[in-house]
Amino acid sequence: DIQMTQSPSSLSASVGDRVTITCRASQGIRSDLGWYQQKPGKAPKRLIYTASTLQSGVPSRFSGSGSGTEFTLTISSLQPEDFATYYCLQYNGYPRTFGQGTKVEIK
Amino acid sequence: EVQLVESGGGLVQPGGSLRLSCAASGFTFSDYWMSWVRQTPGKGLEWVANIKHDGSDKFHVDSVKGRFTISRDNAKTSLYLQMNSLRAEDTAVYYCVRGGSCPDNWGQGTLVTVSS
Repeated sequence: DIQMTQSPSSLSASVGDRVTITCRASQGIRSDLGWYQQKPGKAPKRLIYTASTLQSGVPSRFSGSGSGTEFTLTISSLQPEDFATYYCLQYNGYPRTFGQGTKVEIK
Repeated sequence: EVQLVESGGGLVQPGGSLRLSCAASGFTFSDYWMSWVRQTPGKGLEWVANIKHDGSDKFHVDSVKGRFTISRDNAKTSLYLQMNSLRAEDTAVYYCVRGGSCPDNWGQGTLVTVSS
C-alpha cells in the first residue's frame, strides 16, 4: 500500500496567515493527489485534484503543488471559514489512501 | 444538484450483517465510478470499495475483502454495500462518494456501530 504522511498533524494560525500543509507519499504517485477540507459533523469537501487543479467554486486562496512524492496545500491568507481539518488522498494505486489529517485551529 | 443519500446504518452485534444503500440523483449515475469511504475517530478516512460504471470491475480494501461486497443498480441509480461478519473495528461513518479516484461529491454519511 502507498502510505501518505501528512504534516503537521495540527497547527494554530491567525486570520490572514499563510498556511502550508505537506503530504509525502511512500512511493511516486505522479500528480494523482487530491486535497479535502472537513468541518465538524460534515462530509469532506474536495478542494484540489491532480495535485494542483482547483475545484470549481473553491476560493483562489487555496492552491496545491507538487508531484512524485511531495505535495503541498497552501492557504495564502487564512479566513475564519478555513478553520477545519485537511486531508490528502492518493489515487495512483489501490488501495486509495488518505493522509492522517491536519487540524487547523485558531491561534 | 448532485445528491447522495445513504441509509441502512445502525447498531449491529459482532458477526452480524447490514446492507447500506445510497440513492443518487442530480447526475447520470451510470456514467460514474462510485465508491464507499469510511471514517473512524481512530483511523481517520479509509477507502473501502469502488465499482465501475457498469459494475464489471470492483475493488475492496484488504480489511473488508471476503466480508463486504459493493454493488450497484443503474436502473435504480443506487449504490450498495453488503457488510457481513461485522467486527468492532468496522464501526465508522460510511460515506457514499461519486468517483473511483478523487471523489468530487460525498453523501452525508451513515453511522454503523458494531457492538454487543
